[in-house]
Amino acid sequence: QVQLQQWGAGLLKPSETLSLTCAVYGGSFSGYYWSWIRQPPGKGLEWIGEINHSGSTNYNPSLKSRVTISVDTSKNQFSLKLSSVTAADTAVYYCARGREQQLVPPYYYYMDVWGKGTTVTVSS
Amino acid sequence: SSELTQDPAVSVALGQTVRITCQGDSLRSYYASWYQQKPGQAPVLVIYGKNNRPSGIPDRFSGSSSGNTASLTITGAQAEDEADYYCNSRDSSGTGVFGGGTKLTVL
Repeated sequence: QVQLQQWGAGLLKPSETLSLTCAVYGGSFSGYYWSWIRQPPGKGLEWIGEINHSGSTNYNPSLKSRVTISVDTSKNQFSLKLSSVTAADTAVYYCARGREQQLVPPYYYYMDVWGKGTTVTVSS
Repeated sequence: SSELTQDPAVSVALGQTVRITCQGDSLRSYYASWYQQKPGQAPVLVIYGKNNRPSGIPDRFSGSSSGNTASLTITGAQAEDEADYYCNSRDSSGTGVFGGGTKLTVL
């Protein structure tokens, strides 16, 4: 059974860089999209971006200028960096495994395994 | 448009059937996936593809799609189904997108 374990700093000051890592246990690293999603307090889910095992990335345009997602296949880990954080970046951050089928439309895209979430607070 | 639109709140009597909808242009190209989220917990995938349930999801959960609208139906809602439900797909540029979420209350 695949499990995702995530960790990183939970309290940041404005202008600092958020850094989170997610480790994949119990399954293959290739063939999937490794994703980050966040949820501000009391609000809905926001897709941040994803990376595949070969390092190809895809970012939410609204965050693209500040986001970097990287992968370390030797450790089955992927990471999120978000620069120049503000209070608006306060949220629970989740890592997740994404899957996609693009053979025949309509296509499939979904996230079937999620980490437990990391609460990140940005405050001076 | 890259948006997915959901009703903010829906209620259902215990044991009755409820449908939660999600609208967006991207749903003409992608099936929606659906996630259940209870307070303080990570989202859980309940429906993906045309109408597929991951292992462990009760068969009272089903999905359907027509045009730009996807639906999640719970047939015989239980108290434990009270939660927030989110739809998800990709938009035309390949960016992942979530609906705003629907809070389901079981009366």
